[in-house]
Amino acid sequence: KNEVEQSPQNLTAQEGEFITINCSYSVGISALHWLQQHPGGGIVSLFMLSSGKKKHGRLIATINIQEKHSSLHITASHPRDSAVYICAVAWNAGGTSYGKLTFGQGTILTVHP
Amino acid sequence: NAGVTQTPKFRILKIGQSMTLQCTQDMNHNYMYWYRQDPGMGLKLIYYSVGAGITDKGEVPNGYNVSRSTTEDFPLRLELAAPSQTSVYFCASSYSMWAGNTIYFGEGSWLTVV
Repeated sequence: KNEVEQSPQNLTAQEGEFITINCSYSVGISALHWLQQHPGGGIVSLFMLSSGKKKHGRLIATINIQEKHSSLHITASHPRDSAVYICAVAWNAGGTSYGKLTFGQGTILTVHP
Repeated sequence: NAGVTQTPKFRILKIGQSMTLQCTQDMNHNYMYWYRQDPGMGLKLIYYSVGAGITDKGEVPNGYNVSRSTTEDFPLRLELAAPSQTSVYFCASSYSMWAGNTIYFGEGSWLTVV
């Protein structure tokens, strides 16, 4: 079964701390997404990765295809970063998994002032 | 552009009732998806579509039906609502699932079956 595992499930930080959220997956993928879900439910795409590293403001996402692992980093965390961060993967073409996303269970991040 | 719009935002249904969650996107995306999100769980794919007239089941299709008569619209039909269908539903779309394509989500629909 194709699986996506995120860690940690819950993360509490003080404002200004460096945050890392991890995502591991079981088999080859065509793309990996990092999503942010704020209280109230809306989901926003932060990054889409197929290799290497991407940066947007204080957010950095990396992926290691050989190790089947991705990380989302937040530098100089702020209370407004408090949200659920979700990793989702699109599996490689073939069989019934083609093109569909499988989601991790999410990481609940709380940043205190 | 409005992006992905889904309605209603909130709905309470009685057991056995039926309803349709509406989803429309104005980005000319080929791929559209319906997910459900249960507390503490990752989003689960209900149905997806790779273009007008083409739909397929996801992980949890039982109790639901979809249609895709146009590129823009992808309604989700709940037949004979059951308490197990109490959840938050998200519609999403993307141009494709290959590298370089962002996925866009609607705001979610909170459904309670009593």
